[in-house]
Formats: sequence, structure tokens, C-alpha cells
Amino acid sequence: KAGVTQTPRYLIKTRGQQVTLSCSPISGHRSVSWYQQTPGQGLQFLFEYFSETQRNKGNFPGRFSGRQFSNSRSEMNVSTLELGDSALYLCASSLGRRDYGYGYTFGSGTRLTVV
Amino acid sequence: GQQLNQSPQSMFIQEGEDVSMNCTSSSIFNTWLWYKQEPGEGPVLLIALYKAGELTSNGRLTAQFGITRKDSFLNISASIPSDVGIYFCAGSSGSARQLTFGSGTQLTVLP
Repeated sequence: KAGVTQTPRYLIKTRGQQVTLSCSPISGHRSVSWYQQTPGQGLQFLFEYFSETQRNKGNFPGRFSGRQFSNSRSEMNVSTLELGDSALYLCASSLGRRDYGYGYTFGSGTRLTVV
Repeated sequence: GQQLNQSPQSMFIQEGEDVSMNCTSSSIFNTWLWYKQEPGEGPVLLIALYKAGELTSNGRLTAQFGITRKDSFLNISASIPSDVGIYFCAGSSGSARQLTFGSGTQLTVLP
């Protein structure tokens, strides 16, 4: 079956702009989570959506937002980009049930560079 | 907040050697996961652990969920060149639908 698809793979934006990243989960997966990966902070949880509702949110400023559509596809948006937002943004999908642990499948990520 | 201490940060080993890495937490986790990440890709799940004391294998990989629920280790036996990558531990607790990741172990296998 198809894996988690993230688009675009690479993105270069200017400070102050906004950006939207897309994630298509594995078919049948209803939970989508977003993580930010940087050399300094490692992998950090941004938020998780299930059935179009945000169920959990990490410790990131309000400039980071997301949404999920009825087909489980998800987007995350970062407004007023800062240089420190440069990172690999990873999307993970799962069935969203209690046994979600082994259901977490990550996409290849979107590499965002802010200049 | 929860923190995971993963060690070692990096390892250089000869092909054929065994490898061991571990993670400790300041908090109790209900689930421990081990992932491998290669350049340009997202993490790939290797082993999932759901019960304290659980020992699980996946080929040459073996991982254990510590009985205190605050630690886990991963062993790789008879390493091969394709084992190269960054290995991450991750944990979750209670009903939290998020993973807390360790800082990773960079593994290099020398021929």
C-alpha cells in the first residue's frame, strides 16, 4: 500500500512569509501527527489530528497551525516565518486507536529553508 | 516536560560487531518505540514495546522495555553496512497521542 506522502519535498521561503505543507496519510489511517526535526532540538511534536479535530498540541507558538480534511489529508501552516523555522517537517499517520504505537508511519518529510 | 536521554550519541564499529544503545526517561512511559532514520528519509519503525519487561526481536535487532518503565535498550547483533543510520528511541505515556524522542545514536559501520 502507498505510504505517507508529503509535499513538497523541499521548500525555500523568505523570512516573514508563510508556508503550507501537505500530508496524505496511509489509506485508512485517520490520525495524522506533525513533527519538527532540527539538529539542535531533535524531533519535536507539533500537533495531532484525528477525524478533522486537533486532539493534541505540542509546545509551539501560534504561528504553527494545522488542519485535517474529511479524507484525512492534513496541512500544516507556518505564518511569519523566522530563520529558526528552518527544519525537516515530518508527518506521521496511524490508525489512531489505542494501539497507535506501532501504527505510526512517517513520511519522508518536507525540508523547509528560511532565508 | 518529559525528556529522554539516549546514549551513546555516536558509535563507530567494525562490521560483524554487536551494538547496544539505550534510553532513559525522567518519567514513566507506557510505550517504547525504536526507529531508524537514513539521510533524506523519515524515521522507520523497527520495534515497538508495550509492556514492562517485554523483550522483542526483529531479525538481528532486540529491544527491551525496562521494568521500571523508565528505560529501554536496543541491541543489534552482527552489524552490517546497511545498519548505518541514526537510531531513535521514542516513548509515549498515558493517553498522550504524541511521541517524545531521544536525541538519536549515529551508527557508523566500518568494513
